[in-house]
Amino acid sequence: GQSLEQPSEVTAVEGAIVQINCTYQTSGFYGLSWYQQHDGGAPTFLSYNALDGLEETGRFSSFLSRSDSYGYLLLQELQMKDSASYFCAVRDTGGFKTIFGAGTRLFVKA
Amino acid sequence: DTGVSQDPRHKITKRGQNVTFRCDPISEHNRLYWYRQTLGQGPEFLTYFQNEAQLEKSRLLSDRFSAERPKGSFSTLEIQRTEQGDSAMYLCAGGASTDTQYFGPGTRLTVL
Repeated sequence: GQSLEQPSEVTAVEGAIVQINCTYQTSGFYGLSWYQQHDGGAPTFLSYNALDGLEETGRFSSFLSRSDSYGYLLLQELQMKDSASYFCAVRDTGGFKTIFGAGTRLFVKA
Repeated sequence: DTGVSQDPRHKITKRGQNVTFRCDPISEHNRLYWYRQTLGQGPEFLTYFQNEAQLEKSRLLSDRFSAERPKGSFSTLEIQRTEQGDSAMYLCAGGASTDTQYFGPGTRLTVL
């Protein structure tokens, strides 16, 4: 089977930088996606990494190391509105099923 | 706004009743997914359509759940003989790629 692990909670201060880690166990691998979900809202796609390295999109960056089965989401210049849950996700080997981690709840404090 | 809509947004039903939810992705979304999400958990895959073909269905899903996408556009998810354990948020996502999915606002189901 496939599984993903991410911390359940992270707290950071407004203006700071925070890193949310995700480790995965898969028999095959296509890439790692990240989604943001505010309370009461639907998940919103943030980024996708298929190859090793860092992908930057504005204040958010995502990193992947395939050899370490590890990735992270980096949020810079934190704002209060970044308080949300963040999920990493992978595609199931040989199929179309997407498996999500349990999510990391980010609390941004003033 | 992803352009994906779901209806209804909320549904309260009594145990044993049948419910049906609808999802309307944008026209470019040939791929459509249904998920279930409970509090504090990530979305749990239910089923996947590519155009009108249902190509994958979770083995965790009982026979009480069925989904259709008759013309490759909108999709419906039906739950028969609802149970209290079915209470959850039901999310639909569309996309042109498995790795980039655009979620609708969800339907929150409460089974009394």
